Amino acid sequence: GDSVTQMEGPVTLSEEAFLTINCTYTATGYPSLFWYVQYPGEGLQLLLKATKADDKGSNKGFEATYRKETTSFHLEKGSVQVSDSAVYFCALSDGLGSQGNLIFGKGTKLSVKP
Amino acid sequence: DAMVIQNPRYQVTQFGKPVTLSCSQTLNHNVMYWYQQKSSQAPKLLFHYYDKDFNNEADTPDNFQSRRPNTSFCFLDIRSPGLGDAAMYLCATSRGPGRGQPQHFGDGTRLSIL
Repeated sequence: GDSVTQMEGPVTLSEEAFLTINCTYTATGYPSLFWYVQYPGEGLQLLLKATKADDKGSNKGFEATYRKETTSFHLEKGSVQVSDSAVYFCALSDGLGSQGNLIFGKGTKLSVKP
Repeated sequence: DAMVIQNPRYQVTQFGKPVTLSCSQTLNHNVMYWYQQKSSQAPKLLFHYYDKDFNNEADTPDNFQSRRPNTSFCFLDIRSPGLGDAAMYLCATSRGPGRGQPQHFGDGTRLSIL
């Protein structure tokens, strides 16, 4: 079945460091890919998405490119801030008989130190 | 702002005592989802409604039920909660079931079982 694998955390960075969180997927169809962020005590917020190969999603300085050849959707940010500390979930939706249900990775906790 | 609202934010119940969690949305979305999220884990889909069409995940426990009396509201009923049901419960909505449709999450209800 479809699945999402993302790098294990926690990830600890200093402010203004470069961030990469790796995400790879397995899917039988042509999924849409998402990054969600969850701040402590809150629900998930959509960070960015991409719906087809080579699409780049971007928001709040975060970027991810849909790479079909490597089945990847790595999240990057050039300069992280303390306020970026959160848990990040990579997810896919293939819509094949699943009515667009999301399949999540296990999440990566990011801590940014001043 | 249009949003997904969950009440209450924190709920405490006794072992075996029925409890109901509620979710409302002002987005007028067709699909509503309920997820269970345990500590440091990804959200796990319990069920979803596409309009009035109810879809139960195969591994959702039998003591979990849901109601959607109208477009705006959806309820999660736990008939006889056990200690293992203590978790964050997240409600989400999407415009439709297509694979590119993002889901919009509420802030969740944290359920504790005494």
